[in-house]
Amino acid sequence: EVQLVESGGGLVQPGGTLRLSCAASGFTFRSYWMSWVRQAPGTGLEWVANINPDGSEKYSVPSVRGRFTISRDNAKDSLYLQMNSLRAEDTAVYFCARDPGFGAVDWWGRGTLVTVSS
Amino acid sequence: DVVMTQSPLSLPVTLGQPASISCRSSQSLVHSNGNIYLAWFQQRPGQSPRRLIYKLSDRDSGVPDRFSGSGSGTDFTLKISRVEAEDAGIYYCMQGIHWPPTFGQGTKVEIK
Repeated sequence: EVQLVESGGGLVQPGGTLRLSCAASGFTFRSYWMSWVRQAPGTGLEWVANINPDGSEKYSVPSVRGRFTISRDNAKDSLYLQMNSLRAEDTAVYFCARDPGFGAVDWWGRGTLVTVSS
Repeated sequence: DVVMTQSPLSLPVTLGQPASISCRSSQSLVHSNGNIYLAWFQQRPGQSPRRLIYKLSDRDSGVPDRFSGSGSGTDFTLKISRVEAEDAGIYYCMQGIHWPPTFGQGTKVEIK
């Protein structure tokens, strides 16, 4: 069965950094696009970034571009999100998701909570 | 960004009755290959989203056949033929043809 397990969330001060990880299992990780999607408390879903199977193509939304970097290690079946210059508005649950194409993510992790506050 | 507008935002339903959620996109979601890249997700309280429908009307494995998706280039509908208690939650539509993928605001389905 497909499993995606996020880790690395926590409380960080504005301007701080965090690195999220997502451990994948149950499928051929290196064959899939992977994505990060976030959900601020009590609100809807927002796409953050995605990456192609070999890591050569990366896309992120303007609100995080230049601050967040998505990456992957296919040897470790792992996805990452390096988050720098964090802002209060980045506070959210961050989900790792498998993307079979055209954004129609079909498996989601349970998410990891990132709280940016002083 | 493509704006996805759902209605209603709150939907009280009676067990065993049908329910319908509308989603409208600000741009056409029809790809040159003829596919419509519109998906529907269900998020139960305290859980991660779960995909129900993809490519407008394809139902995911394990999704009950009481869920169906339909629509055209910019107007889409998720229908539940007979609501069950386990269907309570928030439903989101999502488009994946224009970058970045965008979600609707969500429709909260409550069982009366």
